[in-house]
Amino acid sequence: DTGVSQDPRHKITKRGQNVTFRCDPISEHNRLYWYRQTLGQGPEFLTYFQNEAQLEKSRLLSDRFSAERPKGSFSTLEIQRTEQGDSAMYLCASQRGGMIADTQYFGPGTRLTVL
Amino acid sequence: RKEVEQDPGPFNVPEGATVAFNCTYSNSASQSFFWYRQDCRKEPKLLMSVYSSGNEDGRFTAQLNRASQYISLLIRDSKLSDSATYLCVVKNYGGSQGNLIFGKGTKLSVKP
Repeated sequence: DTGVSQDPRHKITKRGQNVTFRCDPISEHNRLYWYRQTLGQGPEFLTYFQNEAQLEKSRLLSDRFSAERPKGSFSTLEIQRTEQGDSAMYLCASQRGGMIADTQYFGPGTRLTVL
Repeated sequence: RKEVEQDPGPFNVPEGATVAFNCTYSNSASQSFFWYRQDCRKEPKLLMSVYSSGNEDGRFTAQLNRASQYISLLIRDSKLSDSATYLCVVKNYGGSQGNLIFGKGTKLSVKP
């Protein structure tokens, strides 16, 4: 257990529904990253926060995706109008600071299945 | 071309074998390098960082060749518990990023 928690662990939804995932990072870690992993691929970067500020979004993050980290602690990732192509494992990672040597610790992930 | 490329695998080896994984990266400005291990349907976990001088952790040895943009991982005396997918990872720093860039992973199966 890395100390990063994610909820729910599994989510099955129908196409067109909205879903929201939560990530609780390690306490006092000020960087939080979201990644997506599809079958047979490595995780791909979606977005990250430095405290409550969202500093980077990848091109994978379409306008149906939104992420927040309102108080610089937990974060939420919402997907609106889900599509079958959104089916993936959504991983959250926590990092203490912005130093090169800082390690990213991953949560257990939320596995999303869109029917 | 993907920024991080790995041997496709899978690697099926007997217990006690030595196995080597290779990885190349395309961005010469990449600054940090790692091997992560991922068990089936679990999250990636840091196995080891990779330094230019090469580094060893028990049965695991990682090497980095910046000139060739090549990273390797050697596992000696492999155990059944080493069965997993091994992800080659780089971290670039430009602006304020620092996100990890993963290869597709190489699956290792160690058989009795």
